[in-house]
Amino acid sequence: ETGVTQTPRHLVMGMTNKKSLKCEQHLGHNAMYWYKQSAKKPLELMFVYNFKEQTENNSVPSRFSPECPNSSHLFLHLHTLQPEDSALYLCASSQDGSGGASNEQFFGPGTRLTVL
Amino acid sequence: AQSVAQPEDQVNVAEGNPLTVKCTYSVSGNPYLFWYVQYPNRGLQFLLKYITGDNLVKGSYGFEAEFNKSQTSFHLKKPSALVSDSALYFCAVRDGTGSNTGKLIFGQGTTLQVKP
Repeated sequence: ETGVTQTPRHLVMGMTNKKSLKCEQHLGHNAMYWYKQSAKKPLELMFVYNFKEQTENNSVPSRFSPECPNSSHLFLHLHTLQPEDSALYLCASSQDGSGGASNEQFFGPGTRLTVL
Repeated sequence: AQSVAQPEDQVNVAEGNPLTVKCTYSVSGNPYLFWYVQYPNRGLQFLLKYITGDNLVKGSYGFEAEFNKSQTSFHLKKPSALVSDSALYFCAVRDGTGSNTGKLIFGQGTTLQVKP
């Protein structure tokens, strides 16, 4: 266990559905991340939150909407997704701040999303 | 711009033999380098990192990596491979100069297959 949990672990949704992915970290970190992992592609950084403020949006389509109510929780709200959005969505956390670039990120197990 | 290359999609070794998984990087400032491992249906697990100091870094599960500045490489090594080492390995780099919220850039991953 890495101290980062994600729910659900698997999700199947239609293109007109609305669903949310949840991530929780129990490590006391102040930065949280969403990544997309597709087959045969490098991990794609989607969003970064630092002290609950969004510091990075990596040109992600608006059908993905992140929410970070506090430093321990991160959500990814999904609506009107496309089949090509099917992937493994990984959440991570780290301790950022002074010297933070040297700190490793801790990953959750991911949510396997299938869009029909 | 930062980039990471893992030139091999797959590495095959026999159990008990030494293994090497290659990684080269490009970064404008001082590189912070990381190796992660991903087992099936799991998130990424941190193995080791190079920030500064000794070029040979030791990490979890008997893995080590050697930082070579002149060759801009950070190859992952293990003296004696185990079947349980079979997994997907990711190299990642972050620019350690300036902002401490710089992106962590991942390579495309290398599948390690250790055969009995």
